[in-house]
Amino acid sequence: DVKVTQSSRYLVKRTGEKVFLECVQDMDHENMFWYRQDPGLGLRLIYFSYDVKMKEKGDIPEGYSVSREKKERFSLILESASTNQTSMYLCASSAYNEQFFGPGTRLTVL
Amino acid sequence: AQKVTQAQTEISVVEKEDVTLDCVYETRDTTYYLFWYKQPPSGELVFLIRRNSFDEQNEISGRYSWNFQKSTSSFNFTITASQVVDSAVYFCALREGIYNQGGKLIFGQGTELSVKP
Repeated sequence: DVKVTQSSRYLVKRTGEKVFLECVQDMDHENMFWYRQDPGLGLRLIYFSYDVKMKEKGDIPEGYSVSREKKERFSLILESASTNQTSMYLCASSAYNEQFFGPGTRLTVL
Repeated sequence: AQKVTQAQTEISVVEKEDVTLDCVYETRDTTYYLFWYKQPPSGELVFLIRRNSFDEQNEISGRYSWNFQKSTSSFNFTITASQVVDSAVYFCALREGIYNQGGKLIFGQGTELSVKP
């Protein structure tokens, strides 16, 4: 079974803090994704990566950056957290078609 | 532009009722994939089905069935004899250009299904 893990289920941070969300997959997938999920808006793609050290902006990259130094790990970075980044963050990986998701991190920025 | 619309925001049914979740998509491509995912209260999205644009056959898996109609750009999902464990948010998604790098998916807004005992 594909396993995608995320470093935290719940996280509370203060405005202006630098926040790291970590995602690890164990199936040697090429592609990895970061989404945020907000009520009424579905899942919106922040960034994705199709290879180590490669990254592409999604639909809402502003305020975020990513890092993929190893194939199995994809990190989402909030350089200076703001209250409008309070959301559920979902990581996914895929080999080609269907994506497999982690359990999500619910981030609250105070 | 590609787009997925799930017009039903919330649906509430009583156990054993049948329920259909609607999904309408827009795409310029002739080759694409469609997906359904389930998100139970625990939060993790679970893959249910993938359909490619060349295959319009309906699919049945236990109490779940999917109806894909290219003529109406729809990919509807029916749960027969619903159960409380079916309560979840369901997402429809589209992947355009099956050879594009990265495999980006476009998700609908989701439909929250509540099945009451």
